[in-house]
Amino acid sequence: DTAVSQTPKYLVTQMGNDKSIKCEQNLGHDTMYWYKQDSKKFLKIMFSYNNKELIINETVPNRFSPKSPDKAHLNLHINSLELGDSAVYFCASRHSGTSGRLYNEQFFGPGTRLTVL
Amino acid sequence: GEDVEQSLFLSVREGDSSVINCTYTDSSSTYLYWYKQEPGAGLQLLTYIFSNMDMKQDQRLTVLLNKKDKHLSLRIADTQTGDSAIYFCAESSNKLIFGAGTRLAVHP
Repeated sequence: DTAVSQTPKYLVTQMGNDKSIKCEQNLGHDTMYWYKQDSKKFLKIMFSYNNKELIINETVPNRFSPKSPDKAHLNLHINSLELGDSAVYFCASRHSGTSGRLYNEQFFGPGTRLTVL
Repeated sequence: GEDVEQSLFLSVREGDSSVINCTYTDSSSTYLYWYKQEPGAGLQLLTYIFSNMDMKQDQRLTVLLNKKDKHLSLRIADTQTGDSAIYFCAESSNKLIFGAGTRLAVHP
């Protein structure tokens, strides 16, 4: 199946721990994103990578460190987890060029629900 | 700065039309989007409109864009229970900025 996949789907952990969320897309896209959706469903962009280079870094604590080993993967590592980090994290990808398309739709992964206790 | 606003809730009767409204601030947005999020799922692109268009129709969906007022609306004709979801308006220049989402509840 061509898609954006994330692992794990659920992550429950204690405050202070370090955890990683992984994202992979097999759509051949060159741009990938991490979004955070809080309990009120507000969806905010955190990071964007284009061809493995960081191009968007919103005001996110530096406990969050994205890593893009290649164009198909964008992982998110979170150090010293806090209660406020509890949210659903969505990965997304898109193709940055036009390629004959009028728009560059972002395709979203299913989300990783992180619960910090 | 960039901002997108939507009303948070809408309740309609099955078979009626739903209209979800959105206002945005970034006049340089090239495209404006409507995404749908069903419970426990990711976001799915429903439809989009290019900023030089006023209207776009796609089956039961009609998107209206008033660029002067920076107002975007999504009309769903003959709303069904399967349309119950959260609908996000989004604008884009170099990144997607989402509204808070409108929770649409469809009742019999």
